[in-house]
Amino acid sequence: AQKITQTQPGMFVQEKEAVTLDCTYDTSDPSYGLFWYKQPSSGEMIFLIYQGSYDQQNATEGRYSLNFQKARKSANLVISASQLGDSAMYFCAMREGANTGNQFYFGTGTSLTVIP
Amino acid sequence: DAMVIQNPRYQVTQFGKPVTLSCSQTLNHNVMYWYQQKSSQAPKLLFHYYDKDFNNEADTPDNFQSRRPNTSFCFLDIRSPGLGDAAMYLCATSETDSSYNEQFFGPGTRLTVL
Repeated sequence: AQKITQTQPGMFVQEKEAVTLDCTYDTSDPSYGLFWYKQPSSGEMIFLIYQGSYDQQNATEGRYSLNFQKARKSANLVISASQLGDSAMYFCAMREGANTGNQFYFGTGTSLTVIP
Repeated sequence: DAMVIQNPRYQVTQFGKPVTLSCSQTLNHNVMYWYQQKSSQAPKLLFHYYDKDFNNEADTPDNFQSRRPNTSFCFLDIRSPGLGDAAMYLCATSETDSSYNEQFFGPGTRLTVL
């Protein structure tokens, strides 16, 4: 089974609108971290936001927020007030366990295009 | 600013000609990773170092080797590049391998094999 599933290969959003990028995950480990990265066409992976499995509240970082629904194993990224510079590939990732040497599992990504 | 640096940003090599990609970090992180990313795909982990401990992914071809001479530097050696090795190579670091540590990525090296 896929550890991370991103079902939206491509998304379009109007500038200044909000957009939600979907991510579901699969793990039996009670301790895990969920991450979102942005990858512009230049190629660099930029860390956006983190949610720990034991965090009680949804993570927020500026215009980014994470809609964490633990029972549904989903960790959707919400970008508010989209800007043209938000056009990029977005990857959801997970790391399992604490101090266990586990790798990052990446989803296949969602390509977001912001329309003026 | 603390960062992850990769050189060169673009590398062109010939089929079968060895090539070395370099990565350095000023974050003093314990863990360094090498990923291969092909167009429109997720990054694929090749190997990682926790300090000097080397961890090879099971499906990483023998053609790929890595060296970490000190905390700051890590190298990716491709001994005999094939056309299928053309990709973006991403170096990343994290403070530890705990589930709460994010990875910090360098800008990547785009490898072309002629």
